[in-house]
Amino acid sequence: QVQLVESGGGVVQPGGSLRLSCAASGFTFSSYGMHWIRQAPGKGLEWVTFIRSDGRKAYYADSVKGRFTVSRDNSRNALFLQMSSLRREDTAVYYCATDIKWGFEDWGQGTLAIVSS
Amino acid sequence: QTVVTQEPSLTVSPGGTVTLTCGSSTGSVTGGHYPCWLQQKPGQAPRTLIYDTSNKHSWTPARFSGSLLGGKAALTLSGAQPEDEADYYCLLSFTYDWRVFGGGTKLTVL
Repeated sequence: QVQLVESGGGVVQPGGSLRLSCAASGFTFSSYGMHWIRQAPGKGLEWVTFIRSDGRKAYYADSVKGRFTVSRDNSRNALFLQMSSLRREDTAVYYCATDIKWGFEDWGQGTLAIVSS
Repeated sequence: QTVVTQEPSLTVSPGGTVTLTCGSSTGSVTGGHYPCWLQQKPGQAPRTLIYDTSNKHSWTPARFSGSLLGGKAALTLSGAQPEDEADYYCLLSFTYDWRVFGGGTKLTVL
């Protein structure tokens, strides 16, 4: 069965960096575009970024453009999110999800990133 | 700033029918926005129910259906069950890098 397992969350100071990972299994990872979506504590969902299946093109929400970089390693079935210049408002649970027709299919359980001094 | 609008809260009786809607500040919602509907229960990750307006996943209960209604995307629940009590979010996609979630609807089954 499909499994998406996020990791790499933790506490980081404002201005710092964090790298999140999403380990995929149970499906042909290289055939799927992938998303990162986040949810601040007690708040709604926010789409963060999408990367195409071959990794050649990525798209970002304005709120993270220039600070976050998504990448993937299809040989390792892994998705990454490099987050830099972090702000308190980046505090959230970060989910990875597979893409289907501009929407989402499967979701991971999320990893919590806290930006705090 | 694009705003995607959902009802903040709705209540449905067990066995009843309720329609949740998803509107856009840019105008009418169409199939070209590829509306997607998600369910999230407390302490859990979201789960996608509907994608591309009306397509269901294998795990989507038959009582849920998606459509376009009066210039909005709609999620209809027919025959509500207690386990359907949850937050529901819609997503509209305008371009590859312009995808906006609604604020969510808290559905109570009572």
